[in-house]
Order: sequence, then C-alpha cells, then structure tokens
Amino acid sequence: AQSVTQLDSHVSVSEGTPVLLRCNYSSSYSPSLFWYVQHPNKGLQLLLKYTSAATLVKGINGFEAEFKKSETSFHLTKPSAHMSDAAEYFCVVSDQAPSGTYKYIFGTGTRLKVLA
Amino acid sequence: DAGVIQSPRHEVTEMGQEVTLRCKPISGHDYLFWYRQTMMRGLELLIYFNNNVPIDDSGMPEDRFSAKMPNASFSTLKIQPSEPRDSAVYFCASSLGGVIPYNEQFFGPGTRLTVL
Repeated sequence: AQSVTQLDSHVSVSEGTPVLLRCNYSSSYSPSLFWYVQHPNKGLQLLLKYTSAATLVKGINGFEAEFKKSETSFHLTKPSAHMSDAAEYFCVVSDQAPSGTYKYIFGTGTRLKVLA
Repeated sequence: DAGVIQSPRHEVTEMGQEVTLRCKPISGHDYLFWYRQTMMRGLELLIYFNNNVPIDDSGMPEDRFSAKMPNASFSTLKIQPSEPRDSAVYFCASSLGGVIPYNEQFFGPGTRLTVL
C-alpha cells in the first residue's frame, strides 16, 4: 500500500537560512512524487514533481527535491528561506493500482515558519 | 484561464440542512477530484471523475454524501443531511488525462463549510 510520511509537523527557520522539509514514502510500484504548498486560506499549488526522469527536481521559487529510491525519500530543500515561504507543505505520492484507478496520497503536512 | 472555480467560498448552515458545493474545472481537463481537509484527518480524497464518470468513490464517508458531474464543466458535492462533523474545507481539483498518475492536479480555493 502507498503511504507518505512527513517527518516534521512544524519547522522553523530564520530568513536567509536553508530549508529542509523531509518526506518518506512507500509504494508498490514506481511512484510519482509531488510537493505542494498551501498558503493560508488558499488552495494548493504545485512546487515540483518527480516522474522517473531526473532524480534532482527543480521547482518554483527556488525549491528543489531529490528522489532517493534507496532511502525512499523525497526531501524538499531551499538554500535560503524568504518570509513569503511561510506556509504548509504537502508531500504527495501518486500511483496507479492494477485496477486502473489512481490516487494522490497526501502527507500530513509540514508547517514552515520563517523568522525575521 | 481562471483556474478551478469553487462556490460558495464560505458556507454556514445548521445541522440537518442540505449543502451543495459547486466546482467548475479548468477547461479541457478530463479529471475532477473532490477533497476534504480537516485538522484531524488532513487532506482526504472523497471521489474522482474521469470524463464525467465517477471512477473511485471509496473516500466518500457515508451515504449522506453524493457527487455528480453532469457535464465537463460542472460538478457538485452534496451533503444531506449535514452534521457538525462535516465542517471542513472542501477542495475541488482538476487535471489532464494522458499519462496519469504523473499529471499535476490544479486546486480550487476551497469552500469552508461550517455546520452548526
């Protein structure tokens, strides 16, 4: 069965310092993995996605994530945090069952706080 | 493109009343998803459609919930009768078909439902 674990429910960083949001997954097949961001009272916006091409994926706003199959991880990073990065971040695994149906499985989210 | 449109943005109703949430997907998208977000349970997929046909409704919590997609540009999620535990933010999302599950889902701004 597919699952996603976001290891930290809250992360606080100072502005200008690196960001690391951790995500581990399990999947029976070759998954697609996504990171979405949700700002307060907004819908979710895609940051980046992995679909079995390059293992290092670059996204919007300076974020990137590395797919590590051996570690079943897909951690999100950014070299330098900005105040506008304060939001909730969701790691998502997507896969297709033999029946042909597919689902997005969402992690529980990591709330990023950026300190001035 | 206006993106995924949801209405109403906020709904306050009393227990026992019928609630109808509406969604207009992005034109040309052939998948439509309904999600529910709560603090306790996070983001849950309720149901999704492909070409207006319900494909997987295993996430619909109980018979009080029903969803329809009468055409490619409109879907409804109905709760009848509503209960306080249905209070949540309900998101609609749409995506293109093709090589799923690799395609990004585009989320609407959500409907915040409060059942008193």
